[in-house]
Amino acid sequence: DAGITQSPRHKVTETGTPVTLRCHQTENHRYMYWYRQDPGHGLRLIHYSYGVKDTDKGEVSDGYSVSRSKTEDFLLTLESATSSQTSVYFCAISESGGNQETQYFGPGTRLLVL
Amino acid sequence: GENVEQHPSTLSVQEGDSAVIKCTYSDSASNYFPWYKQELGKRPQLIIDIRSNVGEKKDQRIAVTLNKTAKHFSLHITETQPEDSAVYFCAATFGNEKLTFGTGTRLTIIP
Repeated sequence: DAGITQSPRHKVTETGTPVTLRCHQTENHRYMYWYRQDPGHGLRLIHYSYGVKDTDKGEVSDGYSVSRSKTEDFLLTLESATSSQTSVYFCAISESGGNQETQYFGPGTRLLVL
Repeated sequence: GENVEQHPSTLSVQEGDSAVIKCTYSDSASNYFPWYKQELGKRPQLIIDIRSNVGEKKDQRIAVTLNKTAKHFSLHITETQPEDSAVYFCAATFGNEKLTFGTGTRLTIIP
């Protein structure tokens, strides 16, 4: 597996609380992505980053923010968690992000919002 | 935006038989098409990919075919084994920086 870790791996939180998930890579890859995975929906892109401090929205970005202050770390924040954000969150990385680049996934974070 | 449709959503195959999963995409500019396998509780892992200048690619029991004119591509698994049981996702590039994924196929190999 590529050098990607996610923390925490499991989290239970209450509606209305802020939550931050961390993705850490040791590959020095430029591009990092956050996806959520839900039954029947596959993997949907939340936000992605194409460099330090450079981020952009994906298809399901509402209610989420991201930050990337270092090449190796990409943080996903749920400002005020809702039950609809209960999901499995995967981070992914790719070397250049250009056409024909493969994405490698982290182990995932399982989030339950009560 | 890009749309990727994947069929079937579930597939049961007798051990030793072949399995085929099909995907269609909407963006004619897409030119990279990976397939991922995800075992229960694990991360998606790349098993094979194909680029738009190639029509078919094989890796042992796994093959992928691409028809750019029709905008569809397929995963073929031959001589299926119990360890092939998993969820399989297709994807297609969207713009220069993103992948759009299909909704997945749950493949079950019946011993």
